[in-house]
Amino acid sequence: QKEVEQDPGPLSVPEGAIVSLNCTYSNSAFQYFMWYRQYSRKGPELLMYTYSSGNKEDGRFTAQVDKSSKYISLFIRDSQPSDSATYLCAMSSYSSASKIIFGSGTRLSIRP
Amino acid sequence: DGGITQSPKYLFRKEGQNVTLSCEQNLNHDAMYWYRQDPGQGLRLIYYSQIVNDFQKGDIAEGYSVSREKKESFPLTVTSAQKNPTAFYLCASLSLGTGLGQPQHFGDGTRLSIL
Repeated sequence: QKEVEQDPGPLSVPEGAIVSLNCTYSNSAFQYFMWYRQYSRKGPELLMYTYSSGNKEDGRFTAQVDKSSKYISLFIRDSQPSDSATYLCAMSSYSSASKIIFGSGTRLSIRP
Repeated sequence: DGGITQSPKYLFRKEGQNVTLSCEQNLNHDAMYWYRQDPGQGLRLIYYSQIVNDFQKGDIAEGYSVSREKKESFPLTVTSAQKNPTAFYLCASLSLGTGLGQPQHFGDGTRLSIL
């Protein structure tokens, strides 16, 4: 079993819809959680970064962490065609903070 | 602007040839990483380094080598022993001095293909 599981998609939604992207993990020591967006032929760019449980909002993006369920989510409101990309979740633990574990990524397509 | 520069953007390797991918960062980050990304797959860690002149193998180090002679630079050599080198290679860096759990920052990758 992988430490971090992420549905690869592809996920296709109409413009303006709310998108929900999710990851589950098995290591209860994970405390730092990240979401990256990766456009084709580019490197991943950091979208959201959260510590421990709770929600964090940044514009149209909300990151949610539920440590009791070992489940993290990224919500995109009012989705735009420019949001079409692959989204990678990532996480690390306090004792191994420099080693980040990535999900395999979800490919998202927003239809105009 | 601070960032991570990977070069070249595209690279072709002949049979039996070693090739070196460059990664330079001006973020003053301590740790640097190399990942391999295959189509439809996540990132697989090749090597990482937390300090100059020291580095550790990741999950798929066979057929690769690295050096870390300067804090800013972490070149990756894909040797002839790597039989399936065609992939997208990503370099990342991370600050260890500004608190635990810092996120990684990435370059824009090098696409390596076999001729």
